[in-house]
Amino acid sequence: AQSVTQLGSHVSVSEGALVLLRCNYSSSVPPYLFWYVQYPNQGLQLLLKYTTGATLVKGINGFEAEFKKSETSFHLTKPSAHMSDAAEYFCAVSEGGNEKLTFGTGTRLTIIP
Amino acid sequence: GAVVSQHPSWVICKSGTSVKIECRSLDFQATTMFWYRQFPKQSLMLMATSNEGSKATYEQGVEKDKFLINHASLTLSTLTVTSAHPEDSSFYICSASDAGGREQYFGPGTRLTVT
Repeated sequence: AQSVTQLGSHVSVSEGALVLLRCNYSSSVPPYLFWYVQYPNQGLQLLLKYTTGATLVKGINGFEAEFKKSETSFHLTKPSAHMSDAAEYFCAVSEGGNEKLTFGTGTRLTIIP
Repeated sequence: GAVVSQHPSWVICKSGTSVKIECRSLDFQATTMFWYRQFPKQSLMLMATSNEGSKATYEQGVEKDKFLINHASLTLSTLTVTSAHPEDSSFYICSASDAGGREQYFGPGTRLTVT
């Protein structure tokens, strides 16, 4: 079975500050890991994903995440927050090759002007 | 590429009636489609997985007779909420994956309100 834990249901950062959203997973097989962003009343947009290979993954809008197997983590970062980054962020895992996604509970990111 | 649409984007219906939500892959063939529901300020919960031409596989606790899923073609899946009740009010999101199956492409969601 697979599961995802997102620490911090709400995160607030100042505009221009570092964004760090935490995600830990459990999986019985090598995982595929995803970060999605959701704006109000909209579907999910893929930010980035890790399947195999390089553990540091770069995504859209300046976000990146690093897969750390030893820590079972896949934290999302962005060096400098922008007001447009305010949204809900979901971490998800699938057990490599299995299409079924399991989502974390989400983190609402607020940007302080 | 990889665009998924949903129709309608929002719907209000009376308790006891049925409502159908469509999910279409616009520029690829979706061998597998997924239906999720999301309650306010909560995560997405997978309801069912459907493969074209096959019966849907429902997650534990999801009533298959209440949430009817049809995946009749490689570009269209429908979710019908039968005899809707206020507790069925939610945000329903579909996703689709192609034959490679390594990524799901999400639709914009449908907000259902049952009065």
